[in-house]
Amino acid sequence: KAGVTQTPRYLIKTRGQQVTLSCSPISGHRSVSWYQQTPGQGLQFLFEYFSETQRNKGNFPGRFSGRQFSNSRSEMNVSTLELGDSALYLCASSTQGGALETQYFGPGTRLLVL
Amino acid sequence: QKEVEQDPGPLSVPEGAIVSLNCTYSNSAFQYFMWYRQYSRKGPELLMYTYSSGNKEDGRFTAQVDKSSKYISLFIRDSQPSDSATYLCAMSRPGTYKYIFGTGTRLKVLA
Repeated sequence: KAGVTQTPRYLIKTRGQQVTLSCSPISGHRSVSWYQQTPGQGLQFLFEYFSETQRNKGNFPGRFSGRQFSNSRSEMNVSTLELGDSALYLCASSTQGGALETQYFGPGTRLLVL
Repeated sequence: QKEVEQDPGPLSVPEGAIVSLNCTYSNSAFQYFMWYRQYSRKGPELLMYTYSSGNKEDGRFTAQVDKSSKYISLFIRDSQPSDSATYLCAMSRPGTYKYIFGTGTRLKVLA
């Protein structure tokens, strides 16, 4: 089985711009979660989608949004970028998204905001 | 105060040493505990998970959970240079669809 794929792998943007990141889960997985990883804060949960519905959301401002398509692929959008949004954005997929399920992570998209 | 606390390290040990990695947590509702390993420029990969107090062993790795102290540990026996990575603890509680991660401990095993 192919693993979780994320595109693009690297991005450079300037403050005020917006960005869209894409995640393709493992075939058959319907749950996709997004995380932001920074050296100081570690991995922080952004949101989780299952069957095109957002089931849980972390403590991030409304500039961070996401969606999931009928084929389970997911996108994450950040509008009005700030310097502090520079981070590694990881997505993870699992079958149903339950608390005991194994989450499989993609390699991440490294975003640099100048 | 963060829900999950983890010493960021770095932790340097000689090859063959026993490594102890730890996390503490404040939310007694956490029932599921996981350890992930993350190599540089890669996404985290699951090493072990457990949902009860006590020890769980898998090869050179042992996960330990003490719910009364809200403390979890990962032990690595006979550590190898290939174990050099960042180790992240993660926790979740029933009925939620999100994991809370520690900040990760960077481990370096010296040959």
